[in-house]
Amino acid sequence: DADVTQTPRNRITKTGKRIMLECSQTKGHDRMYWYRQDPGLGLRLIYYSFDVKDINKGEISDGYSVSRQAQAKFSLSLESAIPNQTALYFCATSGGGAAGELFFGEGSRLTVL
Amino acid sequence: RKEVEQDPGPFNVPEGATVAFNCTYSNSASQSFFWYRQDCRKEPKLLMSVYSSGNEDGRFTAQLNRASQYISLLIRDSKLSDSATYLCAVIPYSGAGSYQLTFGKGTKLSVIP
Repeated sequence: DADVTQTPRNRITKTGKRIMLECSQTKGHDRMYWYRQDPGLGLRLIYYSFDVKDINKGEISDGYSVSRQAQAKFSLSLESAIPNQTALYFCATSGGGAAGELFFGEGSRLTVL
Repeated sequence: RKEVEQDPGPFNVPEGATVAFNCTYSNSASQSFFWYRQDCRKEPKLLMSVYSSGNEDGRFTAQLNRASQYISLLIRDSKLSDSATYLCAVIPYSGAGSYQLTFGKGTKLSVIP
């Protein structure tokens, strides 16, 4: 089983719908991240959390919200999805090892029609 | 200027060739540097950290040039299995306790038989 698990892996939805992407990890890491990846734009940080009581905005947080329900769980919500939020979303974790070593989930491909 | 910029690619090289990628960063106070590898439709995975003195891992050599603010990745004796997208990543200095990894857009490498 993967150490960082994302659900759903694929989702097609319509404009205006609320979507939640979930991430859980078994690595015991405190730090968790949500990135989105778009062709030609690379990986961009949406939100990150260094522990259960800590939430921080990343580069592109508008239109997104997150919840850190437990050390092992970090969910990303799109309150009202729009087509330009169509992307590949990655959850990642990092722990007490070398700063900069992120462990990514397998990704959630979201299509907003 | 983007915080982290990479050679646009794609690089198409024959098996056995040596190929080099560069990545420039804009924040001179950046503190940590990395190369990640991302296979098609997969999550990124850490390939290697980049140390000030340069470092080597088998056929892969990473170097840092702080004066010119770039990092490089050299792959010798390319294998078909090296075909992937290579992402450089930097932790730009933005205050105490900040560990936000910033990625370049990636350079695609195709090794041809």
